[in-house]
Amino acid sequence: KQEVTQIPAALSVPEGENLVLNCSFTDSAIYNLQWFRQDPGKGLTSLLLIQSSQREQTSGRLNASLDKSSGRSTLYIAASQPGDSATYLCAVRPVSGGNKLVFGAGTILRVKS
Amino acid sequence: EAGVAQSPRYKIIEKRQSVAFWCNPISGHATLYWYQQILGQGPKLLIQFQNNGVVDDSQLPKDRFSAERLKGVDSTLKIQPAKLEDSAVYLCASSRGVQGAFFGQGTRLTVV
Repeated sequence: KQEVTQIPAALSVPEGENLVLNCSFTDSAIYNLQWFRQDPGKGLTSLLLIQSSQREQTSGRLNASLDKSSGRSTLYIAASQPGDSATYLCAVRPVSGGNKLVFGAGTILRVKS
Repeated sequence: EAGVAQSPRYKIIEKRQSVAFWCNPISGHATLYWYQQILGQGPKLLIQFQNNGVVDDSQLPKDRFSAERLKGVDSTLKIQPAKLEDSAVYLCASSRGVQGAFFGQGTRLTVV
């Protein structure tokens, strides 16, 4: 059974810092991994999608890497801003298990101005 | 391209009452998911449809929850009767094959 773990559970940083969020998964047989952002009381916004054959994806100040063999992904946020404050969730799409997404519990990020 | 639409955004009901949520996925997305997200946790899959057929409902509490996707487009999720522990955000998502999933704004359910 695929399990996804995110560390840390919560993170508070001053504005301008670069930071890394971690995601690990137990079964390396995945189609892809997706990072989402969730603002309080809102739905999930897709940030980056990394296919299993890819090593990383970049969008603006965000960079996500994938090491499938070790079951790890990182989300790097450069020059953090107060507007980046949200919960960040990672999800994997296992090869076995019918095309569903399996989520971690998320990292709550607070960027202080 | 229009996103995933969900309604209502918020719902407050008393325990033992019934409630229904509606979802309209992105056009052309054959796969539709309903997730339950309890405060402080990651989303948990309740049911997954491929067109109008159920692919996975292993974690759906079938004694009180039901879902349908008529004509392979929009979907409804129903709870009857509701319990206090059903208080959560209900998220609908859709995808095309094994590509990225897109989520709606969610419905926040409070059972009192």
